[in-house]
Amino acid sequence: EPEVTQTPSHQVTQMGQEVILRCVPISNHLYFYWYRQILGQKVEFLVSFYNNEISEKSEIFDDQFSVERPDGSNFTLKIRSTKLEDSAMYFCASSGEVGWNTEAFFGQGTRLTVV
Amino acid sequence: DQQVKQNSPSLSVQEGRISILNCDYTNSMFDYFLWYKKYPAEGPTFLISISSIKDKNEDGRFTVFLNKSAKHLSLHIVPSQPGDSAVYFCAATPSARQLTFGSGTQLTVLP
Repeated sequence: EPEVTQTPSHQVTQMGQEVILRCVPISNHLYFYWYRQILGQKVEFLVSFYNNEISEKSEIFDDQFSVERPDGSNFTLKIRSTKLEDSAMYFCASSGEVGWNTEAFFGQGTRLTVV
Repeated sequence: DQQVKQNSPSLSVQEGRISILNCDYTNSMFDYFLWYKKYPAEGPTFLISISSIKDKNEDGRFTVFLNKSAKHLSLHIVPSQPGDSAVYFCAATPSARQLTFGSGTQLTVLP
């Protein structure tokens, strides 16, 4: 069964450092997303990406964040200068199309710890 | 501003009985609703969905009910099994784009 894969599973970084979280969405999917879940809180939308550009983003997704699809398979989230409050589980998701009866499939997540 | 609310952080049910998880929403633009299940250290897994043109959708042991006038949906699991123990997230979207999640309900099914 096709799945979304994320690497690494756990990333520890020092405050102020740049991190890149990587995702391989399901191969024939067209829409890509990043969500995050701070420990004990709800899953929050960060950004959606379609046709090589950001289609929607939340207030959380400020100038410190960027996304890229550098080749035909990877989808990355970069945080330029990490803050302690960026510590969270980051989930990548993809969907085949937009419309009814199309759900997003989530990866296993990357746990980012900023120290 | 919580557009999707799950007011019960936890629910315990005996094996074989019915589990009912509730969700309320405030944004009338939402037209597609989903339930995801999440185990610790894993990503959310899609369970079942319903579009706003329906009031019920059933898939095996899982049934989702939508009451648009009350802006309320519920997930029924019957019969509940110990393997159903997980956090259940309600999510909603306008035009099936970005998902807005509720805060989740921890379901524990007791053997």
